[in-house]
Amino acid sequence: SQKIEQNSEALNIQEGKTATLTCNYTNYSPAYLQWYRQDPGRGPVFLLLIRENEKEKRKERLKVTFDTTLKQSLFHITASQPADSATYLCALDGGSQGNLIFGKGTKLSVKP
Amino acid sequence: DGGITQSPKYLFRKEGQNVTLSCEQNLNHDAMYWYRQDPGQGLRLIYYSQIVNDFQKGDIAEGYSVSREKKESFPLTVTSAQKNPTAFYLCASSPGQGGRQFFGPGTRLTVL
Repeated sequence: SQKIEQNSEALNIQEGKTATLTCNYTNYSPAYLQWYRQDPGRGPVFLLLIRENEKEKRKERLKVTFDTTLKQSLFHITASQPADSATYLCALDGGSQGNLIFGKGTKLSVKP
Repeated sequence: DGGITQSPKYLFRKEGQNVTLSCEQNLNHDAMYWYRQDPGQGLRLIYYSQIVNDFQKGDIAEGYSVSREKKESFPLTVTSAQKNPTAFYLCASSPGQGGRQFFGPGTRLTVL
């Protein structure tokens, strides 16, 4: 069955630095991959979607890469701010049923 | 103002009681989903519905039931058969199969 792993449970960085979060998957070739942000006690909020034929996608300070050979996606936040502190979830498409398979998330803390 | 609403935000029930969580959307989305989130865990799919009057079991459907009588509404009942119901429950919707999902604010259920 499909397996998705976000390598770090927690990541602590200094304000202004670039945060890089990793999402790896096995036993599957997803058509697309998504990233969500979740604040404590709230529902996830969609950030970016990248398709299998796209190598990279950007949105303001966010950048996502998708390497189907390595079966890995990297999520970057440049010039990080304390307001970026949250848990970030990656999700793969679940195939023909249209569902998403979520990773456990990485909790990012940006220190001033 | 379009979106997804879940009520109540906090819910307390005694062990052995059934409880129904509400989820309403005014986004005109066809697909709706219910997830469960436990501390340190990713989102796990309970049930999903791609169209009115039809729904399918997700990965952890045992002890739960749903209905989809209206496009806007997808209530989840946590039955007494669910062995460990205390969790954070999230409802989501999407325009169709796949693609980004829009999440509600969640309901935190505590069974005493």
